[in-house]
Amino acid sequence: NAGVTQTPKFQVLKTGQSMTLQCAQDMNHNSMYWYRQDPGMGLRLIYYSASEGTTDKGEVPNGYNVSRLNKREFSLRLESAAPSQTSVYFCASSAQVRTEAFFGQGTRLTVV
Amino acid sequence: GIQVEQSPPDLILQEGANSTLRCNFSDSVNNLQWFHQNPWGQLINLFYIPSGTKQNGRLSATTVATERYSLLYISSSQTTDSGVYFCAVEGGSQGNLIFGKGTKLSVKP
Repeated sequence: NAGVTQTPKFQVLKTGQSMTLQCAQDMNHNSMYWYRQDPGMGLRLIYYSASEGTTDKGEVPNGYNVSRLNKREFSLRLESAAPSQTSVYFCASSAQVRTEAFFGQGTRLTVV
Repeated sequence: GIQVEQSPPDLILQEGANSTLRCNFSDSVNNLQWFHQNPWGQLINLFYIPSGTKQNGRLSATTVATERYSLLYISSSQTTDSGVYFCAVEGGSQGNLIFGKGTKLSVKP
């Protein structure tokens, strides 16, 4: 049982490049989330999708876009990467909003 | 918005010792979770505990929602317990988790 799977695990980008982080869950969860983790800051919400077909901004959405491709998949796109987006990115899912959340293994992104 | 404070920020233990980690939150919540982030960065669910007490092996947790705090107990600590322990509570209309800054635990052999 894979749970929440993120790809890639590591990525180095040059300033201005674009990329998409992929996330898929196999728990038939309705809600999915993207967080970023920075040193000393804990995790902060970037975007979330309460259910298939809906997406909403979180605490730190600037510079990102998301797509809820279907119930299983929720992708995060950086259109023009900036050094300030160097971080560890986590995808999470939960059965519904306000229920127990499960996290993927994270993607360590460095923008140079 | 809701504030989550964890204490202590850092903790060093000798293997076999017991410890208590604390999480205070500033408003009533319907969801509280404890996570362990291991040295490889993976976030592992420990407890989903909006209220009451739960136990899982050497770990247990208690949440007193009316007093806005939760405690995580680690007994007979092992080196594999090292890492960062996060408390997270549901915050705001979005239903997402608001994380504390964590307690970094180091267990020495």
